[in-house]
Amino acid sequence: NAGVTQTPKFQVLKTGQSMTLQCAQDMNHNSMYWYRQDPGMGLRLIYYSASEGTTDKGEVPNGYNVSRLNKREFSLRLESAAPSQTSVYFCAIQTRAEQYFGPGTRLTVT
Amino acid sequence: TQLLEQSPQFLSIQEGENLTVYCNSSSVFSSLQWYRQEPGEGPVLLVTVVTGGEVKKLKRLTFQFGDARKDSSLHITAAQPGDTGLYLCASKRSGNTPLVFGKGTRLSVIA
Repeated sequence: NAGVTQTPKFQVLKTGQSMTLQCAQDMNHNSMYWYRQDPGMGLRLIYYSASEGTTDKGEVPNGYNVSRLNKREFSLRLESAAPSQTSVYFCAIQTRAEQYFGPGTRLTVT
Repeated sequence: TQLLEQSPQFLSIQEGENLTVYCNSSSVFSSLQWYRQEPGEGPVLLVTVVTGGEVKKLKRLTFQFGDARKDSSLHITAAQPGDTGLYLCASKRSGNTPLVFGKGTRLSVIA
């Protein structure tokens, strides 16, 4: 039972490149979230999905797209990466009691 | 907009000292959660407080929810190096909305 898994763990991109961050859960929960975490800024919500087939913007959605492929998987795509998107990205699910986070992806855009 | 203000932003103390960190808002919380995040990992839930005036204890950690449900505190007794980490408070604007996180208090406990 892995909980929430994220791939890759680390990534370096050049400005303008694209990539997809993958998140998968084996806990059978409906709600999934993507956050970014920057020094001194806490966790900021990028997008979330309350259930399979639905997605909604969070606080900082610009420059990102998401896909809720099925109940298990929620991916985050950067179409044209910018240095301002250098950050640590966390995927999370909402259980009955808490938000349960994956281990994070550390992304650097040069 | 419900903002969660956490203070202090940084705290560095010696092992064995006591400390308190705070989470405040101008809005009333329906409930409030505290998370701890260790370096290189995602946040992990410590506690949820729901009732105004509620006090919850988790070993050396004591969590208080203000009577008016607008503020909360986390007190650590006899801090240990293992308490080092980022402490985040979080709450929801309403029942079906996502959690909103404060910016956190980064605690360093020096042996």
